[in-house]
Amino acid sequence: SAVISQKPSRDICQRGTSLTIQCQVDSQVTMMFWYRQQPGQSLTLIATANQGSEATYESGFVIDKFPISRPNLTFSTLTVSNMSPEDSSIYLCSVRAGSQETQYFGPGTRLLVL
Amino acid sequence: QKEVEQNSGPLSVPEGAIASLNCTYSDRVSQSFFWYRQYSGKSPELIMSIYSNGDKEDGRFTAQLNKASQYVSLLIRDSQPSDSATYLCAVSPFSGGYNKLIFGAGTRLAVHP
Repeated sequence: SAVISQKPSRDICQRGTSLTIQCQVDSQVTMMFWYRQQPGQSLTLIATANQGSEATYESGFVIDKFPISRPNLTFSTLTVSNMSPEDSSIYLCSVRAGSQETQYFGPGTRLLVL
Repeated sequence: QKEVEQNSGPLSVPEGAIASLNCTYSDRVSQSFFWYRQYSGKSPELIMSIYSNGDKEDGRFTAQLNKASQYVSLLIRDSQPSDSATYLCAVSPFSGGYNKLIFGAGTRLAVHP
């Protein structure tokens, strides 16, 4: 299994500002995933972060809005830029680990934009 | 058509009964299927994975897959109030290697004493 931690666990931000979310894993993983879960909805993949290369973004998500860093095999950051109330959501970091490539989720970062 | 569809519920079952959760998917090449449980305010946790047609049992949980019908289900036997949560069906188009999980909207299960 993989143990994932995220910082911050929650934050309240003003519109127009940016927030960087950190994700730390207790083992080296090839890929890390960033998901968004808006209130009452399911998980939507934002991007996949590979170490040493540009992140791959899903349709509807762009690098200028959600820049991602992946400096090593255990750490990644997601920045939510120029925030608006529509960005209020839970942001989840996820990794695949183990022989079965099981996908695990971090505890999430609860973001409220005023 | 959504890629992964689930009835949003709530599905209400009495304690001790069998809860049946269903999921359909649109991509015929999907090969990996997962059920996650998400308690309110928590992150999803994996319950079951299934890759081939038929049934897969793990304790009180049974996953059933029918690729011809593009249908996957989760049965929870002897349902307990602690099973009350949202159950997310996730589908992946490839087995092994890189692939992304596509999630359904989730079915809310309520087990009442």
